[in-house]
Parts: sequence; C-alpha cells; structure tokens
Amino acid sequence: DAMVIQNPRYQVTQFGKPVTLSCSQTLNHNVMYWYQQKSSQAPKLLFHYYDKDFNNEADTPDNFQSRRPNTSFCFLDIRSPGLGDAAMYLCATSSADTQYFGPGTRLTVL
Amino acid sequence: EDQVTQSPEALRLQEGESSSLNCSYTVSGLRGLFWYRQDPGKGPEFLFTLYSAGEEKEKERLKATLTKKESFLHITAPKPEDSATYLCAVQALDSGYALNFGKGTSLLVTP
Repeated sequence: DAMVIQNPRYQVTQFGKPVTLSCSQTLNHNVMYWYQQKSSQAPKLLFHYYDKDFNNEADTPDNFQSRRPNTSFCFLDIRSPGLGDAAMYLCATSSADTQYFGPGTRLTVL
Repeated sequence: EDQVTQSPEALRLQEGESSSLNCSYTVSGLRGLFWYRQDPGKGPEFLFTLYSAGEEKEKERLKATLTKKESFLHITAPKPEDSATYLCAVQALDSGYALNFGKGTSLLVTP
C-alpha cells in the first residue's frame, strides 16, 4: 500500500563523505519534491521536479544535488555532508496541488 | 514575503476536551491552504486542502475552516491517538508548486 517510499529510513555518514538518499513512488505523479526538516522546525523545500524539469530553490546549498532518472524514482545527493546537514529528509509527490509525503530518511552526520 | 504562523506552539488537552489550533498566513494570492499531521519520526500525513474563504472540511474529530487571514483546525472530543504535530502550509498562486509551512502545533492528549 505504500505510495511514497524512501530508503533508507536511517542513514549515518561521516563528515564530508558523499551520501545518496532514494525516493520512489507508485502514484505516477509528475511532480516530486525534496524537503529538509530539522528538529522542531518546518519542512523546507530544497528542490522539485516537474517531470524532468528541475527547479532549485534559491537558498538551497550547492552541496545538495538531485537526479530523477524516470517518473518513479528521485535521488538526493549530498556531496560533502556537514554537521549542519543532519536532519530528516522528506520526499513528496503531487499530480496537482496536494503533496503526499514519504516516511522520511533521518540523516546523521558524524 | 509569504508567512505562515501557527499557534500555540504546544497544546496539552485532556481526552474529550475540545480546542482549536490557529494558522495565520500572509500570501500575495492563495492557491490553497493545507493541513498535515506529523507523528514523531514520520513524514507528514495529508489531512485537508482549503481553497477559498468560508470553506470547511471535516474528517472524524477534525474540522478545518478558512478565512482570508487564517485557518483553524478544530478538534472535537480528542483522543490520545490524536496526539501529533499539526502542520499548516500555504501555496501561493505565484509560487508554482511550493508549499510554505508553519512550524506546527505539537498536540498532546492525555487520558
């Protein structure tokens, strides 16, 4: 029944060691999003794809990259994680205005 | 600049004690206002979308209302399983698909 799936649920990486988070969807939605949510804070949009068109938020650090090889999958690459990048990373999809979220990946940076 | 402010930050209720959560917003033109529920360590779960002032939506013990400046999430006779953080988000007409979230209200319902 899972519609937006994120793997892994928990990821531990070392300072500066690249990491990739994965998101897949079974809804066939054309828009996919990546959010960062730090403890007790609101989710913050990093970027989104409308089909293959990539849209980066103005204040998203260059350290964060994304790939969407097909409709179902989207990846978040963090090239050189810093301690400040420790957070919950949420993937969401939509076909119109309502966004549906996955369970999130909790990233720890040591 | 679009702003979303939720109050209170935290709310503790006894089971059966009804209350309301507030979401005040400033946006150039509103496409939609969204309510989500988020349990600890999980992704937000969609509850409601409201599009225009005067609109109301209900689901079980929850009812969401919308005016031109704010939205309320009314919780009637809450149960402990309603304990969660409730997030409000607005989508502006000129923002494409982006959601601007408030920081949320953390609700605890005790037996």
